[in-house]
Amino acid sequence: QQQVKQSPQSLIVQKGGIPIINCAYENTAFDYFPWYQQFPGKGPALLIAIRPDVSEKKEGRFTISFNKSAKQFSLHIMDSQPGDSATYFCAASKDEKLTFGTGTRLTIIP
Amino acid sequence: EAGVTQSPTHLIKTRGQQATLRCSPISGHTSVYWYQQALGLGLQFLLWYDEGEERNRGNFPPRFSGRQFPNYSSELNVNALELEDSALYLCASSLHASREGYTFGSGTRLTVV
Repeated sequence: QQQVKQSPQSLIVQKGGIPIINCAYENTAFDYFPWYQQFPGKGPALLIAIRPDVSEKKEGRFTISFNKSAKQFSLHIMDSQPGDSATYFCAASKDEKLTFGTGTRLTIIP
Repeated sequence: EAGVTQSPTHLIKTRGQQATLRCSPISGHTSVYWYQQALGLGLQFLLWYDEGEERNRGNFPPRFSGRQFPNYSSELNVNALELEDSALYLCASSLHASREGYTFGSGTRLTVV
């Protein structure tokens, strides 16, 4: 059962554009929603995270928007750079275990 | 500070054999988590160890097992390997089940032929 659905599967954006990656979840008990960034040959690294009592969180060029009623959350990357090219995973948790989306391969072209 | 280290980096095994993967957590972290990252499936939770005990396991068959040692390092064993076990196996560590402090290693790429 896919409890966290992520889209799109891949995304190509020009440098300076704003890629948006979306996730939807089913379990209303989830109370922690992190985003991870993974480069080839490396493990995922925590990028930014949000809790459901907040509708938006911004850290540098990365912003999470959270819609509790729709059970959706999204990642926006402002002023995207070629160095942001990576695979991005959303996740959700209600305990120590993280449930991940299937990932979005993002390519930023110069 | 050293991060989470995993060994070996790559492992090739024949179907039916056993594989052993190792993980050393960040110093001070007592919880170790194992995830399987198969192509197109994201990361699937396998096992969680804390203070030497198995605390939770994901929806995987019993031939996936492991243990945590007194120094908090951990071992994942996969018995009777099947072709579909080919994946990247990631280990993460955190302080006492702190999901907000998850730090992943770079993984072990297991290929079953």
